[in-house]
Amino acid sequence: AQRVTQPEKLLSVFKGAPVELKCNYSYSGSPELFWYVQYSRQRLQLLLRHISRESIKGFTADLNKGETSFHLKKPFAQEEDSAMYYCALKRGSTLGRLYFGRGTQLTVWP
Amino acid sequence: EAGVTQFPSHSVIEKGQTVTLRCDPISGHDNLYWYRRVMGKEIKFLLHFVKESKQDESGMPNNRFLAERTGGTYSTLKVQPAELEDSGVYFCASSQYGQIDTQYFGPGTRLTVL
Repeated sequence: AQRVTQPEKLLSVFKGAPVELKCNYSYSGSPELFWYVQYSRQRLQLLLRHISRESIKGFTADLNKGETSFHLKKPFAQEEDSAMYYCALKRGSTLGRLYFGRGTQLTVWP
Repeated sequence: EAGVTQFPSHSVIEKGQTVTLRCDPISGHDNLYWYRRVMGKEIKFLLHFVKESKQDESGMPNNRFLAERTGGTYSTLKVQPAELEDSGVYFCASSQYGQIDTQYFGPGTRLTVL
């Protein structure tokens, strides 16, 4: 069975500090991993996906198959990064449902 | 381009009543998904349409939930009769049929069952 775990429900950092949101998964096959973000009063939107290997808004995430992790990192957090972040998994690279973690609420203090 | 829209944004009903949620996907998107987030828990998959066909309905909690997508355009999710545990936020997402299956989410419908 597949499962996504985000161990931190809440995470607070000061502006300019590095931030890392943890995501671990369990899945026996080759997953596709995503980070979705929901800013206050906005809809859930895709932040990045591991197959794109790109940096969005200064965030990066590397899929570590050995540790089954897909942690989201940003070297210098900004106040506008405050939001709810969800890690999600899809089985393989085909169409299909997303399996979400419970989310991490990030607050960046000025 | 208009995004995924959902109606209503909020619904408050009493236990035993019926509620119908509507989702309009992005035009041209064949894939439509329903998800639900119950308070304190993760966002969970309910079902997946490809055009008008149910591709995967394994996440539907019980037979009080009925989803339809007549004509392969908008979709409705009916809860009849509603129970207290049905309270939560219901999300709809859509994606194009292709190699990159990016799911675009609607704003959600917040359902409260009293």
